[in-house]
Amino acid sequence: AQKITQTQPGMFVQEKEAVTLDCTYDTSDPSYGLFWYKQPSSGEMIFLIYQGSYDQQNATEGRYSLNFQKARKSANLVISASQLGDSAMYFCAMREGTEDSSYKLIFGSGTRLLVRP
Amino acid sequence: ETGVTQTPRHLVMGMTNKKSLKCEQHLGHNAMYWYKQSAKKPLELMFVYSLEERVENNSVPSRFSPECPNSSHLFLHLHTLQPEDSALYLCASSHSATGEGYEQYFGPGTRLTVT
Repeated sequence: AQKITQTQPGMFVQEKEAVTLDCTYDTSDPSYGLFWYKQPSSGEMIFLIYQGSYDQQNATEGRYSLNFQKARKSANLVISASQLGDSAMYFCAMREGTEDSSYKLIFGSGTRLLVRP
Repeated sequence: ETGVTQTPRHLVMGMTNKKSLKCEQHLGHNAMYWYKQSAKKPLELMFVYSLEERVENNSVPSRFSPECPNSSHLFLHLHTLQPEDSALYLCASSHSATGEGYEQYFGPGTRLTVT
């Protein structure tokens, strides 16, 4: 079974509108971390936001917020006020908390976001 | 220089060539990683180094040989590659290899084409 599922291969959003990118995860470990990365066409993976499994509040970083629904095992990324520069691939990733392998980041297949002017 | 740098950015090599990819991190991190990103596949972890010791070798063919001479530098030595090895190779670093909350910072990648 896939550990990280991103069901939207591609998304369009109008400039200045908000968009939600879906991510569901599968783990039996009580301790884990969830990450979102942005990959523009240049190739670099840019860290956006992090949510820990024990965090009480949803993470926010500027225009990025993470809608963390633990019971549903979902960690959707919300981008508010989309900009043309937000056009990129977006990857959701998880790190499970087992001591000897907690460095492993498991990535989803990504969502390509295109922002329309 | 800041962040994580990788050289070269693009590399075309024949199947009989030997080449090396270089990664350098300027963040004072203790862990470094090699990932492979092929078209239409999720990112695959290849190798992990923590304090210059390899802690993960993710069933990678021996034609890929990593080297970590110090905590700031990571190399990936390539020899007798196959066309299916063509991909984007990403290097990353993090404060620590284990524990929560330590996000990985990536370099811009090397786009490798094997002819």
